[in-house]
Amino acid sequence: AQSVTQLDSQVPVFEEAPVELRCNYSSSVSVYLFWYVQYPNQGLQLLLKYLSGSTLVKGINGFEAEFNKSQTSFHLRKPSVHISDTAEYFCAVSDAGGSQGNLIFGKGTKLSVKP
Amino acid sequence: IAGITQAPTSQILAAGRRMTLRCTQDMRHNAMYWYRQDLGLGLRLIHYSNTAGTTGKGEVPDGYSVSRANTDDFPLTLASAVPSQTSVYFCASSEKGGRNIQYFGAGTRLSVL
Repeated sequence: AQSVTQLDSQVPVFEEAPVELRCNYSSSVSVYLFWYVQYPNQGLQLLLKYLSGSTLVKGINGFEAEFNKSQTSFHLRKPSVHISDTAEYFCAVSDAGGSQGNLIFGKGTKLSVKP
Repeated sequence: IAGITQAPTSQILAAGRRMTLRCTQDMRHNAMYWYRQDLGLGLRLIHYSNTAGTTGKGEVPDGYSVSRANTDDFPLTLASAVPSQTSVYFCASSEKGGRNIQYFGAGTRLSVL
């Protein structure tokens, strides 16, 4: 079984500042890792994913994340945030060896970007 | 391309009533999912279907049922709604397998009174 911990429930930050949203996971098997974003009153959409290969993955809207197997982490970063990045961000894992695509989500981090 | 369509957008329901949330996808994805989202709890999987004709239980299946008669539709039924089922419900679909992206609908906001 897998689990995901997002270490911060809320992250306030000023516009143009850098941000890091932290995600740690627990699993006895290899996993795929995802970050999804949810804008107010919308469904989730994929920001980026790690399947294999390079541990630094780049996503949409200038976000990137780094997979660290030894620390079982997949932190999301952006060097300079915009007001439009205000949203809730979810880290998720799936079983890399299974045939099912079930995702286990963290509880989410609300990013508030202030002018 | 519509993607995932959920209906209704929102609903207020009396406790004890039966309710079906509809979900339709036009991407011909094999797998479909139902999640509920509650404040501070993230998204939790209710039921899933890896292909038409098969369904499985997720993390929080009690009080819910699903069917998958065809590829496109995956309705979620609350046989007798209770206030603890007040939530936002999201349907998603993907190609089968853990490496594939899940695409989400806009959600159904359900209040059970």
